[in-house]
Amino acid sequence: NAGVTQTPKFQVLKTGQSMTLQCAQDMNHEYMSWYRQDPGMGLRLIHYSVGAGITDQGEVPNGYNVSRSTTEDFPLRLLSAAPSQTSVYFCASTPDRSWVATLGGELFFGEGSRLTVL
Amino acid sequence: RKEVEQDPGPFNVPEGATVAFNCTYSNSASQSFFWYRQDCRKEPKLLMSVYSSGNEDGRFTAQLNRASQYISLLIRDSKLSDSATYLCVVNRWGTGRRALTFGSGTRLQVQP
Repeated sequence: NAGVTQTPKFQVLKTGQSMTLQCAQDMNHEYMSWYRQDPGMGLRLIHYSVGAGITDQGEVPNGYNVSRSTTEDFPLRLLSAAPSQTSVYFCASTPDRSWVATLGGELFFGEGSRLTVL
Repeated sequence: RKEVEQDPGPFNVPEGATVAFNCTYSNSASQSFFWYRQDCRKEPKLLMSVYSSGNEDGRFTAQLNRASQYISLLIRDSKLSDSATYLCVVNRWGTGRRALTFGSGTRLQVQP
């Protein structure tokens, strides 16, 4: 079972470059999200989506764009990379569309993408 | 103040020891709570949910204290394989934003 697949696993960018982190899940999950993890900061939510065509901002959305054209894919775009975006990025999904109904649940994470911006 | 606070550790304990971690949360409207485990350079994985009445899963016991707004994780008979970072996670109920808030984690190192 593939689960949540992230690519690339490692990337080095120069300041000002743009790139897309790919995330795909094969579990037919409605909810998908992107987090970044920095030392001492915990995971912070960047953007999330509750279904195809629906996205919303998380805690730290500036400098990132997302789209959700299919249930399976949720790419994260860095528009103009900055050194402050050096981080480990995790994509996560869950079957539950409605947090109200389920009060949250298990998030299934990809293996992470390590990004360095020089 | 962070929404979810944890002692970063590390907690260095011998095999067989009992160890406990606490986590405090600031949003009194939070409804659901979890402990996730993260191995070094790996993704987080759900360890257990935390229920109001407390719950146990083998050597792991989770407790919730709503009045004081903290949750705890107790690990009995520690194994080398328990070495990891333990993340406290809270549902951000009532904020209009459907997401989980993660603490920065408590690192546990079990020594032979």
